[in-house]
Amino acid sequence: SAVISQKPSRDICQRGTSLTIQCQVDSQVTMMFWYRQQPGQSLTLIATANQGSEATYESGFVIDKFPISRPNLTFSTLTVSNMSPEDSSIYLCSVGVFNGYTFGSGTRLTVV
Amino acid sequence: QKEVEQNSGPLSVPEGAIASLNCTYSDRGSQSFFWYRQYSGKSPELIMFIYSNGDKEDGRFTAQLNKASQYVSLLIRDSQPSDSATYLCAVMERGSTLGRLYFGRGTQLTVWP
Repeated sequence: SAVISQKPSRDICQRGTSLTIQCQVDSQVTMMFWYRQQPGQSLTLIATANQGSEATYESGFVIDKFPISRPNLTFSTLTVSNMSPEDSSIYLCSVGVFNGYTFGSGTRLTVV
Repeated sequence: QKEVEQNSGPLSVPEGAIASLNCTYSDRGSQSFFWYRQYSGKSPELIMFIYSNGDKEDGRFTAQLNKASQYVSLLIRDSQPSDSATYLCAVMERGSTLGRLYFGRGTQLTVWP
């Protein structure tokens, strides 16, 4: 299965600032998925990122708040913009390969 | 809206017992199903995937799929304390190839010695 390197693993940020999360995959994949997981909750899909096209956002998530970059088939970034304490969560990237879906190790974000 | 429902738990079983985790899904056309294990503070890791009706076994884990009943389950035999985690059921979007997954809320399992 694919291996994903996700950075940073955690960060504490001031409200009003932005944080960019990076995911690097060890193989080429068509779609990358960005999830949010709030404490004690399941995974909520933020958006799907295809290389060469704009990301597709789920209801409740907008590009201005969560801009996504997908410059090639092995890399993607998610930016959490103008952060507020409500954005404190774990953010995960994921890719699908023939034998299942793999997740990055996650970014634990705390906004103060 | 695709829905994936799991028994909320928490589920507590003694070491050596069989743990049974259940999941139902709303989209009758769904074809691919996944079980993930998530330890506290870690990202989900894939345990099993199943596409065909019936049982699929991998070591101590057995996934069972019944598409007519829209039901998928995970059995863990000879449960160990190291199996204590949250188990997430996921269903792939109908008609897609490696498309998005819909996740249940997860069932927390505790295996006590």
